[in-house]
Amino acid sequence: EVQLVESGGGLVQPGGSLRLSCAASGFTFSSYDMHWVRQATGKGLEWVSAIGTAGDPYYPGSVKGRFTISRENAKNSLYLQMNSLRAGDTAVYYCARSGGIAAPLDYWGQGTLVTVSS
Amino acid sequence: DIQMTQSPSSLSASVGDRVTITCRASQSISSYLNWYQQKPGKAPKLLIYAASSLQSGVPSRFSGSGSGTDFTLTISSLQPEDFATYYCQQSYSLPVTFGQGTRLEIK
Repeated sequence: EVQLVESGGGLVQPGGSLRLSCAASGFTFSSYDMHWVRQATGKGLEWVSAIGTAGDPYYPGSVKGRFTISRENAKNSLYLQMNSLRAGDTAVYYCARSGGIAAPLDYWGQGTLVTVSS
Repeated sequence: DIQMTQSPSSLSASVGDRVTITCRASQSISSYLNWYQQKPGKAPKLLIYAASSLQSGVPSRFSGSGSGTDFTLTISSLQPEDFATYYCQQSYSLPVTFGQGTRLEIK
């Protein structure tokens, strides 16, 4: 059974940093592209980053230069290092897998809440 | 960036109704269009990929169609468990973008 379990969320002050983790199981992690998608309370879905099987990262303009996605295939783990956090980054962060960067997100974790507030 | 626009933003319907949700892309995305269902407090769930392919385990009352810029998600006969929010998503080019969502409520 495919499982994705996020952790690392919490309360952080504006300008602070946080590192999210996503533990994967039930599939060959190294063979899949991985994504982070966030959702502010009561709002829609926003793609945050992706990483290919070769470790190539992708970001939208809203987080480029502040967020860093990485993966550790030996540990079946995905990470998101978030720096210079702003109130607008407050959201539930989901990790998800895809069979390619242009493929659908076929499995999602349950999400971890990040709150940026003083 | 490719903008995805869904309509309607919300919809009230009854069990047994046939429902159609529309998604329009700001430029052609071929068939790189996916649909997700999200229930309150839960992660999104993939329903339809590549515009019209049903994800494994998803009931056949869900169907998708379209290509280019205009797409539809149809639920042929609404069941109680179908009341949720639906999102379209383009995977044609980065950044991946989602529609704003369609909230399907019980009438």
